[in-house]
Amino acid sequence: DIVVTQSPDSLAVSLGERAAISCRSSRSLLYSSNNKNYLAWYQQKPGQPPKLLIYWASTRESGVPERFSGSGSGTDFTLTISSLQAEDVAIYYCQQYYTSLRTFGQGTKVEIK
Amino acid sequence: QVRLVESGGGVVQPGGSLRLSCEASGFSFSSYGMHWVRQAPGKGLERVAFIQYEGRYENYADFVKGRFTISRDDSKNTLYLQMNSLTTEDTAVYYCAKDCGLGGMRDHWGQGTLVTVSS
Repeated sequence: DIVVTQSPDSLAVSLGERAAISCRSSRSLLYSSNNKNYLAWYQQKPGQPPKLLIYWASTRESGVPERFSGSGSGTDFTLTISSLQAEDVAIYYCQQYYTSLRTFGQGTKVEIK
Repeated sequence: QVRLVESGGGVVQPGGSLRLSCEASGFSFSSYGMHWVRQAPGKGLERVAFIQYEGRYENYADFVKGRFTISRDDSKNTLYLQMNSLTTEDTAVYYCAKDCGLGGMRDHWGQGTLVTVSS
């Protein structure tokens, strides 16, 4: 299986400040046929299913605020929240979907400082 | 739009069995692979099983160890997960997900169904 590792495990950021989460894959997630990276970011709040924020590493899902952005290619990726809002308190997961053996990062808990 | 509705969760005793279902709509079900993913209370997400379109191929997480079987009925647009020999460690919310497909953009997830294994 592809191993996906997130860091940090938790993050406390002041309101309006920037938050960044890293995700590293044990193999490249770049699919050569379409030059897309098969890496997604999800947000999960208590009692709710994961919500897709970003797919193809950097494409924002419809309806997701512009303060959320994804970057990176190959094996190293980053989710950035440009200006943290109170409603962004959640656990964030990255997921590789390059292979049918889907694997996930361990999650990063984002809190308000 | 894509809609996935899981059912069949509940409380079961250790050693018992349960069959989960996932009813799909809004896409050509027979053309896509499907996944089961689970999340134990307070834990992260982990894959359980995958079945390719038309049931051509299956794979399972190691912890399944021959206890779970993924299947599909394309005539009913429904995905299944038969779970046997359940242990307390199988307690989790189980989600079904539609595979993005070759060159596709993203997976789609259902809302999940809770399985509690307890005596």
